[in-house]
Amino acid sequence: EVQLVESGGGLVKPGRSLRLSCIASGFTFSDYAMSWFRQAPGKGLEWVGFIRGKGYGGTTEYAASVKGRFTISRDDSKSIAYLQMSSLKTEDTAVYYCTRERHPGAYDFDYWGQGTLVTVSS
Amino acid sequence: DIQMTQSPPSLSASVGARVTITCQASQDISNFLNWYQQKPGKAPKLLIYDASNLETGVPSRFSGSGSGTDFTFTISSLQPEDIATYFCQQYDNLPLSFGGGTKVEIK
Repeated sequence: EVQLVESGGGLVKPGRSLRLSCIASGFTFSDYAMSWFRQAPGKGLEWVGFIRGKGYGGTTEYAASVKGRFTISRDDSKSIAYLQMSSLKTEDTAVYYCTRERHPGAYDFDYWGQGTLVTVSS
Repeated sequence: DIQMTQSPPSLSASVGARVTITCQASQDISNFLNWYQQKPGKAPKLLIYDASNLETGVPSRFSGSGSGTDFTFTISSLQPEDIATYFCQQYDNLPLSFGGGTKVEIK
């Protein structure tokens, strides 16, 4: 059974850093691109970025709102995707979801984690 | 960036009613559109991909159509368990972008 479990969320002050983890199981992690999305309280969904699978070089893409501040990485040996967030702003407050892309380049996100809440506040 | 305009923002319908949601892209996105269902406190769930393909295990009362800039999502017979917010999402170009969502309630 495919499972994605996020962790690492919490309360953090503006300007600080936080790292989220997404532990995957039930599939060959290295073969899949992994994406991060977020949803501010009571708001819609926003794509954050993704990291391609091993076969596609493990390259990354980011939304403009986080580029230069957020970094997505992966440890295929542990089946974990990471979202390193730095220079956090109050507008980064959201539930963060990690997802799996079923087919490379198809952006068909068939499995989602339960989400982890990040609150940026002084 | 591609903007996705979804309407209506909310709707209320009776059990058994036909429900239609529209999504309009700011430019031609071919059929590169997904539809998701999100229940309160839960992660989104992929229902429709490539504008009209039903995800495995999703009830056949859900359907999608359209191409280019105009898309439609339909629930043929609304059920109580369909209470949720529905989102469209384009993947023709990065950044991926979503419609604002449609909250569906039972009348």
